[in-house]
Amino acid sequence: KAGVTQTPRYLIKTRGQQVTLSCSPISGHRSVSWYQQTPGQGLQFLFEYFSETQRNKGNFPGRFSGRQFSNSRSEMNVSTLELGDSALYLCASSLGTSPGLAGFSGPGELFFGEGSRLTVL
Amino acid sequence: KNEVEQSPQNLTAQEGEFITINCSYSVGISALHWLQQHPGGGIVSLFMLSSGKKKHGRLIATINIQEKHSSLHITASHPRDSAVYICAVRSWETSGSRLTFGEGTQLTVNP
Repeated sequence: KAGVTQTPRYLIKTRGQQVTLSCSPISGHRSVSWYQQTPGQGLQFLFEYFSETQRNKGNFPGRFSGRQFSNSRSEMNVSTLELGDSALYLCASSLGTSPGLAGFSGPGELFFGEGSRLTVL
Repeated sequence: KNEVEQSPQNLTAQEGEFITINCSYSVGISALHWLQQHPGGGIVSLFMLSSGKKKHGRLIATINIQEKHSSLHITASHPRDSAVYICAVRSWETSGSRLTFGEGTQLTVNP
């Protein structure tokens, strides 16, 4: 069973440019979440998607956006890049569950991709 | 104060030693994750806990919901266990769930 695939693995951009990162989850997984990791701030939650719907968003400016497609693949976009956006961007997939009377029960065990390392010059 | 606190930040051990990493949190949670990150960035999920204790090989994770505390134990440590160990808690907000991470514990096991 193929793991979580993130592309590209490495990229260099300049300030003001935009970037799109892709995440292909494990087959059958419907939940994808994104995280930013920097030496100063550690790991921080960006977004969580389930069945093409954004379930939650972290405390990041509107320059950070994402979406999920019907095949569960997800993309995140960062516009007007700043030096501080240099980071390792990780996505994780999980089976997830559909909302019910008790509410969305959470994605369950997470499987992480290798990450996309973005350098902004 | 961070919502998730890990201790120690750095830990050096000799091969074969018993290791404990602690995680305390201050929010209500639905689950707690222990993650392992090797140099180069890849993260592996070790455990997901909502109560009690889980064991996988030489790794044991426990959680005490009342005390808001979890521990990760490594028995008979080995140099290949050298990595950063990260505690993360899943909490609920009106907008949905999110993971909040501890700062990680850098473990070095010397032969």
